[in-house]
Amino acid sequence: NAGVTQTPKFRILKIGQSMTLQCTQDMNHNYMYWYRQDPGMGLKLIYYSVGAGITDKGEVPNGYNVSRSTTEDFPLRLELAAPSQTSVYFCASSYPSTGGSTDTQYFGPGTRLTVL
Amino acid sequence: DAKTTQPTSMDCAEGRAANLPCNHSTISGNEYVYWYRQIHSQGPQYIIHGLKNNETNEMASLIITEDRKSSTLILPHATLRDTAVYYCIVRVPPNNAGNMLTFGGGTRLMVKP
Repeated sequence: NAGVTQTPKFRILKIGQSMTLQCTQDMNHNYMYWYRQDPGMGLKLIYYSVGAGITDKGEVPNGYNVSRSTTEDFPLRLELAAPSQTSVYFCASSYPSTGGSTDTQYFGPGTRLTVL
Repeated sequence: DAKTTQPTSMDCAEGRAANLPCNHSTISGNEYVYWYRQIHSQGPQYIIHGLKNNETNEMASLIITEDRKSSTLILPHATLRDTAVYYCIVRVPPNNAGNMLTFGGGTRLMVKP
């Protein structure tokens, strides 16, 4: 199992450019998430998905879009990059057990994005 | 989800126990206490969770007070590789709306030789 993989590891964008951050998991998890982490801060949820075809907004969705066409993939799209989107982006996945207490989230290694 | 309060930073000598406190005085009866950690430049890693009983696994122990308003994560024999930011998260079990984790500032644990 590779777990949760993210590409690219690093990227520099110019203001107004667009890009897609890729996230793939091979654990057959239903739930997937995108978080961002600004320097020295905790993680904030951008979007999440409870299964293929179902996505919903998290705490900070503005400026981002997602899609979930398969169980494995959950790409994050930035349409018009802005300096405020400079951050480290983490993808995560989980498979909640029945009873709900053991829903461990597994995180990818992150994508470091700089918008200049 | 209930808010949590953790010290900003702590030091621990290598080989000694590291005790990381967390206050969650507004916790509800159905909210669990989760601990994650984030080693520099890596994604967060799950450590342990509990509801009201003390819990232990291969990584750590979790002690929850009887009134559930605070808890302590214990790393019994801290190593240099345990240097990380430790997040205490209080939340309800997942439902159809997803398993969102709300990360606060965490405690930066520095394990020193």
